[in-house]
Amino acid sequence: KNQVEQSPQSLIILEGKNCTLQCNYTVSPFSNLRWYKQDTGRGPVSLTIMTFSENTKSNGRYTATLDADTKQSSLHITASQLSDSASYICVVRPNDYKLSFGAGTTVTVRA
Amino acid sequence: DAGVIQSPRHEVTEMGQEVTLRCKPISGHDYLFWYRQTMMRGLELLIYFNNNVPIDDSGMPEDRFSAKMPNASFSTLKIQPSEPRDSAVYFCASLQGNNEQFFGPGTRLTVL
Repeated sequence: KNQVEQSPQSLIILEGKNCTLQCNYTVSPFSNLRWYKQDTGRGPVSLTIMTFSENTKSNGRYTATLDADTKQSSLHITASQLSDSASYICVVRPNDYKLSFGAGTTVTVRA
Repeated sequence: DAGVIQSPRHEVTEMGQEVTLRCKPISGHDYLFWYRQTMMRGLELLIYFNNNVPIDDSGMPEDRFSAKMPNASFSTLKIQPSEPRDSAVYFCASLQGNNEQFFGPGTRLTVL
């Protein structure tokens, strides 16, 4: 069964600090990997997308990395802000449209 | 564009009642997806359509669930009869071709 595992389940950081979220997957074949941000009470919104040949992708203070050989990805948040408090979901797409979702990491940024 | 539109945003009903969730995808998108999100199971794909045709409904939990897409701008997800374990947030999403899926705001369903 295709699986996406995320860690940690949750974390708390102080405003201005950095943090890194992890994603391991076993989805095969692999088309692309996205990181989504889901604010409380809203739908997920895509932050980054990476295909097999891409190692890193940035979107403002968000930087995602991908190691397709080890099937690992990370999302790094730099200089966190209160608005970064959300759930971050790693989503892997195989060759069809049936996405595999991680359980998400809940990030809480405190002043 | 207003994005994916879902209604209602919140639904509270009693066990045994019929529930209908509605979705309007982004104009021009040819794929539409229905998901369910719970704390225990996260996001799960229920069914998806391509050009109004159901392609994969293997995620639909039981015969109590049904989905239709009568035209390119409207889809419904119906639960009949509803049960307390159906309580969840139901998301609709749409995309065009191989591009990004855009999610709606979700419908929070509570079955008492």
